[in-house]
Amino acid sequence: DSGVTQTPKHLITATGQRVTLRCSPRSGDLSVYWYQQSLDQGLQFLIQYYNGEERAKGNILERFSAQQFPDLHSELNLSSLELGDSALYFCATSQGIHNEQFFGPGTRLTVL
Amino acid sequence: GDSVTQMEGPVTLSEEAFLTINCTYTATGYPSLFWYVQYPGEGLQLLLKATKADDKGSNKGFEATYRKETTSFHLEKGSVQVSDSAVYFCALSRVDSNYQLIWGAGTKLIIKP
Repeated sequence: DSGVTQTPKHLITATGQRVTLRCSPRSGDLSVYWYQQSLDQGLQFLIQYYNGEERAKGNILERFSAQQFPDLHSELNLSSLELGDSALYFCATSQGIHNEQFFGPGTRLTVL
Repeated sequence: GDSVTQMEGPVTLSEEAFLTINCTYTATGYPSLFWYVQYPGEGLQLLLKATKADDKGSNKGFEATYRKETTSFHLEKGSVQVSDSAVYFCALSRVDSNYQLIWGAGTKLIIKP
């Protein structure tokens, strides 16, 4: 157990809908990274927050957004969902921006 | 841009066999290199890492050496067990890309008793 929690574990929804994935970091971790794991694209970095501020963006679609709250938990919002958004979404957290990243168990999103 | 290339799987071995999973990278500067492991139904766990050339990372009998001259970070284990069956990911990160991880495609390892 890495100490990083993600909810929900599974999410099934329809095309066009909007969902929110949640990530709670380990105690003391200020940095949150979001990654998408899909069969087509493999593992891809989406976005990073550090202490509430967006730090880096990767291959994140405009339909996706994220934020990190004052209590340091983070949410990834996915809207206008398409079939191709079906994937496993991981968050990882670290103390700073150059420390080891610890991964949560992931949220499996299925878009029907 | 930065990239990581891993040998395709699945790799199927018998218990106690020697394991090598190849990983090569393309990156500017001096990346840090990692091996992560994903057991069935679980998240990603850091297996080992190396942060500079000629460093050797090791953990749980697995080893990998950072070879800058061949831009490689091959994963090895002398004697695999059934419990090593998992998907193994090679990854890199760089300071000037905020340490985001760039991933290989993953190699599924199947160990038969």
